[in-house]
Amino acid sequence: DGGITQSPKYLFRKEGQNVTLSCEQNLNHDAMYWYRQDPGQGLRLIYYSQIVNDFQKGDIAEGYSVSREKKESFPLTVTSAQKNPTAFYLCASSIDRGYHEQYFGPGTRLTVT
Amino acid sequence: AQSVSQHNHHVILSEAASLELGCNYSYGGTVNLFWYVQYPGQHLQLLLKYFSGDPLVKGIKGFEAEFIKSKFSFNLRKPSVQWSDTAEYFCAVRLNQAGTALIFGKGTTLSVSS
Repeated sequence: DGGITQSPKYLFRKEGQNVTLSCEQNLNHDAMYWYRQDPGQGLRLIYYSQIVNDFQKGDIAEGYSVSREKKESFPLTVTSAQKNPTAFYLCASSIDRGYHEQYFGPGTRLTVT
Repeated sequence: AQSVSQHNHHVILSEAASLELGCNYSYGGTVNLFWYVQYPGQHLQLLLKYFSGDPLVKGIKGFEAEFIKSKFSFNLRKPSVQWSDTAEYFCAVRLNQAGTALIFGKGTTLSVSS
């Protein structure tokens, strides 16, 4: 089955620790995205990547970092600089940078205490 | 900055009632428009989309939406809701410039009682 995999589903970390969220897709999509979902806030874009080795900041990139070394993988690191890291994180992909819909993964719920 | 507004935060309906969820965006240029749905415990999935052509678009599960350019709106409708339509609904806009990402509204939670 083609799709987007995010692991783990639930993640717990202590404050001050960096944590990396995984996102893998086997859809052969060029573009990948990371969103953060908070209750009543909708989805807010953190970072996106349109091709390998290239990525752009979204609306709320501060405290996050990404890499895109392979087409199928787009990991997100939540650093200790992120002030409110507890949230639901969604990864998405689309065919390319053109006019296509995005497909979403199941999400990772990160809790930082 | 461009934005998307969903007017209803939480809508409660009985089965068989009609549904209309409002969505407005603030951008004067050409846009692509989407409605996504997130059922409890499931992935966010596409309900319908508008890129060009007929402004009345039909999606899955009996949903439709109408693009009214003069009103910058893309309202979602369903003539008769079912209990299984209980979910969170997100309107999203993509500016018609290659390489731009989606801008999402804050979502509307729909609760349907049987």
